[in-house]
Amino acid sequence: SQTIHQWPATLVQPVGSPLSLECTVEGTSNPNLYWYRQAAGRGLQLLFYSVGIGQISSEVPQNLSASRPQDRQFILSSKKLLLSDSGFYLCAWSARRPVTEQFFGPGTRLTVL
Amino acid sequence: RKEVEQDPGPFNVPEGATVAFNCTYSNSASQSFFWYRQDCRKEPKLLMSVYSSGNEDGRFTAQLNRASQYISLLIRDSKLSDSATYLCVVIPNTGGFKTIFGAGTRLFVKA
Repeated sequence: SQTIHQWPATLVQPVGSPLSLECTVEGTSNPNLYWYRQAAGRGLQLLFYSVGIGQISSEVPQNLSASRPQDRQFILSSKKLLLSDSGFYLCAWSARRPVTEQFFGPGTRLTVL
Repeated sequence: RKEVEQDPGPFNVPEGATVAFNCTYSNSASQSFFWYRQDCRKEPKLLMSVYSSGNEDGRFTAQLNRASQYISLLIRDSKLSDSATYLCVVIPNTGGFKTIFGAGTRLFVKA
């Protein structure tokens, strides 16, 4: 069966510090991978999605970036965090084709102070 | 108009009640539909898929109305454990890979 891992679970970072969140998927090959952010009491905002190694699409302009160095690894980064980057970051995967339902990792709760 | 719209609620219902949520979508060519459940401070989890013929799983029934472009979720005999946010999800038939999530409907089931 497929599983998706995210770490860390919780992170508190000062403004201006760098960020690296990692997501890995097991039990499937060639998945679509997604990064979402959910602000407190709000809906999911799609940040990035990837259909393959090195292929990243960005949905919103921001100071975040994403990379996919391996088929089942997806990394979210920032060089300098802003207060507005606080939120619940969720990684998800779906089958490549046809595009089906997404399955989420446990998320990382980021607080920028 | 938002691509996917839901009543944010909250819906406050007693145990044992029947409650229904609707979700409207704007893209008439949308091809796949789902309901997710999200507990407080947790990740969304797939509740059920929504098929053209409808779908029932125990106390939960999901239906699709393509003519009016909405999907619905019916929960019968509500339990305290049903308290959560229910997200409507649509996959547009655009050849891309995006999935559109609604903002969710909050449900509180009270004893």
